[in-house]
Amino acid sequence: DAKTTQPPSMDCAEGRAANLPCNHSTISGNEYVYWYRQIHSQGPQYIIHGLKNNETNEMASLIITEDRKSSTLILPHATLRDTAVYYCIVRSGGTSYGKLTFGQGTILTVHP
Amino acid sequence: NAGVTQTPKFRILKIGQSMTLQCTQDMNHNYMYWYRQDPGMGLKLIYYSVGAGITDKGEVPNGYNVSRSTTEDFPLRLELAAPSQTSVYFCASSYSGQGGYEQYFGPGTRLTVT
Repeated sequence: DAKTTQPPSMDCAEGRAANLPCNHSTISGNEYVYWYRQIHSQGPQYIIHGLKNNETNEMASLIITEDRKSSTLILPHATLRDTAVYYCIVRSGGTSYGKLTFGQGTILTVHP
Repeated sequence: NAGVTQTPKFRILKIGQSMTLQCTQDMNHNYMYWYRQDPGMGLKLIYYSVGAGITDKGEVPNGYNVSRSTTEDFPLRLELAAPSQTSVYFCASSYSGQGGYEQYFGPGTRLTVT
């Protein structure tokens, strides 16, 4: 599975959009981009995933560049409860058993 | 649905003791996983299972054993506990391994070996 690179930390004001970048320059054609977050040592929580089209759900939006070498997770109106470690993960959608390789992630701190 | 449940929440073991971490899911998922997370680090896969009766090693299987006799349950066994096994253990489950899908995680078991 392709490796990802994320900034170690980011800050965001409450009520503003949080834009979390992720580089995955070695991604291959059948690999999905996943985002998970982990709030204060709880179990990781799935946020969103995509293959090549932009995706949106009730939690966030995922923007994937046309060449698929990078993506951005957007939390449209960040709240204090969005303070967490955010993991960008690239995983094969083929016959893989579904292993997720977690890196260091980005610590997002939302300020009042 | 309760989702993925894990017991116990906390446990302190002495070196050399053994224990079983329990994991149960009620979503009829065929895939189940065990991860460990050391302080300040990402999760590492210990073992996984693609269905009842089928298990395989992940990245860090040494010192652990698993079994999968039912779809719902995936216990993790620690034999001869060592301080290096002090960690937070997360169980997860998901649908079929092909295509895009999400993993659902339990709340974790915090284990200290002294």
